Amino acid sequence: GQQVMQIPQYQHVQEGEDFTTYCNSSTTLSNIQWYKQRPGGHPVFLIQLVKSGEVKKQKRLTFQFGEAKKNSSLHITATQTTDVGTYFCAGLDSNYQLIWGAGTKLIIKP
Amino acid sequence: GAGVSQSPRYKVAKRGQDVALRCDPISGHVSLFWYQQALGQGPEFLTYFQNEAQLDKSGLPSDRFFAERPEGSVSTLKIQRTQQEDSAVYLCASSRRQGASRYEITGELFFGEGSRLTVL
Repeated sequence: GQQVMQIPQYQHVQEGEDFTTYCNSSTTLSNIQWYKQRPGGHPVFLIQLVKSGEVKKQKRLTFQFGEAKKNSSLHITATQTTDVGTYFCAGLDSNYQLIWGAGTKLIIKP
Repeated sequence: GAGVSQSPRYKVAKRGQDVALRCDPISGHVSLFWYQQALGQGPEFLTYFQNEAQLDKSGLPSDRFFAERPEGSVSTLKIQRTQQEDSAVYLCASSRRQGASRYEITGELFFGEGSRLTVL
């Protein structure tokens, strides 16, 4: 069935370093959403991308949707301890189902 | 209410017991979803309601799982004869929007805190 692959599974960074997570779909997506889940918490919506090649920024976070609408990325510049958590992408497929990636866990090294 | 409310937050059940998990979505939200999230995994879709209609239940893992939303607001997920593999966090999410078609889902999902089910 339709899958959204998200990599890496984990990323350890020093505070102040950058972080990137990637999502790839086997088929074209109608849109893609990004969520953040803090440890012990629930997913919280960050953003939705709809257009081919779309780029959106939220402060230190940059979200991209690929030209073919099959891939997306989230980049965090100069990570802070408040960025810790798991970042999920969720793509809307041709059957109008929201397909979730497995998430990338951002870990700040002590 | 201000957000999506789920109860109970924690439930411990003996294998074979029935459980009922409640979701109170944001007032006026048309769409309601149930997800199952195992430790360290992403949310897995269970079922979707648009108002009182259950439009998609393809993610329910077995006929022991049943969900309803009789008046288009509060929803209940029932699990009969619980098994250890049912242990997970059950997340409810609601959305204000519905798309151009009856199945299209657009707009952000608002999640509740989840109900953590542990089956012994």
